[in-house]
Amino acid sequence: NAGVTQTPKFQVLKTGQSMTLQCAQDMNHEYMSWYRQDPGMGLRLIHYSVGAGITDQGEVPNGYNVSRSTTEDFPLRLLSAAPSQTSVYFCASLSDRWAGELFFGEGSRLTVL
Amino acid sequence: GQQVMQIPQYQHVQEGEDFTTYCNSSTTLSNIQWYKQRPGGHPVFLIQLVKSGEVKKQKRLTFQFGEAKKNSSLHITATQTTDVGTYFCAEVLTTDSWGKLQFGAGTQVVVTP
Repeated sequence: NAGVTQTPKFQVLKTGQSMTLQCAQDMNHEYMSWYRQDPGMGLRLIHYSVGAGITDQGEVPNGYNVSRSTTEDFPLRLLSAAPSQTSVYFCASLSDRWAGELFFGEGSRLTVL
Repeated sequence: GQQVMQIPQYQHVQEGEDFTTYCNSSTTLSNIQWYKQRPGGHPVFLIQLVKSGEVKKQKRLTFQFGEAKKNSSLHITATQTTDVGTYFCAEVLTTDSWGKLQFGAGTQVVVTP
């Protein structure tokens, strides 16, 4: 069982470039989310989705875009990369609102020069 | 910003000693969760606390939810090197939050053999 799969694991971008971080889950979870992790800041929610076609903003959405066309996939798009977006990004999924447990992917480390 | 405060930010522990990390919120919580992240890894769910005053144990780990549901603690007895990592608490503000977890900054634990 693959769980939550993120690609790529590492990426270096130049300021102004765009890219997409991919996230896929094979657990048929309705809820998916993206977090970024910076030293001393914990995990901050960027965007989340409660089902196909439904997305909403989290705590730090600026500079990021998401869509949810299928239950399995939840890509995160960086529209014009900035050095402040250098971070580790985690995708996570949740089976239902009562179960509570977030399943995380292994993370994508992004550096913006 | 973050609603939940974790203290201490860093914890150096001698192997075999006990320690406690705390999570404090400014608001009453629906429930609280704890996660562990090993160095270089991704967060892994440990436990969820739902009831006021609830205490749960997992081997050497004891989790407690405050009577007013505004704070929580994680106590580890007889610390081992396998306990190294960062421990996060995550709060769910209401049952309508639908998994919109807000994470604390974490307690980074270093164990000295």
